[in-house]
Amino acid sequence: ETGVTQTPRHLVMGMTNKKSLKCEQHLGHNAMYWYKQSAKKPLELMFVYNFKEQTENNSVPSRFSPECPNSSHLFLHLHTLQPEDSALYLCASSQDQNEQYFGPGTRLTVT
Amino acid sequence: LAKTTQPISMDSYEGQEVNITCSHNNIATNDYITWYQQFPSQGPRFIIQGYKTKVTNEVASLFIPADRKSSTLSLPRVSLSDTAVYYCLVGVDDKIIFGKGTRLHILP
Repeated sequence: ETGVTQTPRHLVMGMTNKKSLKCEQHLGHNAMYWYKQSAKKPLELMFVYNFKEQTENNSVPSRFSPECPNSSHLFLHLHTLQPEDSALYLCASSQDQNEQYFGPGTRLTVT
Repeated sequence: LAKTTQPISMDSYEGQEVNITCSHNNIATNDYITWYQQFPSQGPRFIIQGYKTKVTNEVASLFIPADRKSSTLSLPRVSLSDTAVYYCLVGVDDKIIFGKGTRLHILP
């Protein structure tokens, strides 16, 4: 256990659905991250939040919408996704520039 | 942003020492070097971090030469459970990039 939890662990959704991924960290960290990992591709950083403020958005399509209501919770709202968005979505947290602690990920399948 | 280059894959045998080298020629003065381990369908797990010279913990050692343009992760006496992808990252704060990593396969 890394202190970072993600729900759900698996999600299957249609292209017209709206769903949300949830991440919670119990480590008192001040930064949280969303990553996407597609099969046989490098890990891609999507969003970064420092002290609840978004500091990084790596050209992510608007069908992915992050939300950070407090420093312990991070959401990724999904709507009108495409099949190529199927991937493992990982959440991580860190304290300043120290090492990141990753959650177990949500395996997303878009049908 | 500093880019890293690692071997795509490596094979080794149980009980041997494994060294994985990462090149990062344009590392910046403030950048740290961090290694992560990832098992299939799991999130990456922090292994070790260093800035220069040598760092050792209960899992691995990290060797960084004086010019810091490369680093070597050393895993002593590997076992089958060390089969995983190992990522070398260079950066500071949220300015980091995960490369493709090195797929390490330990054979019995």
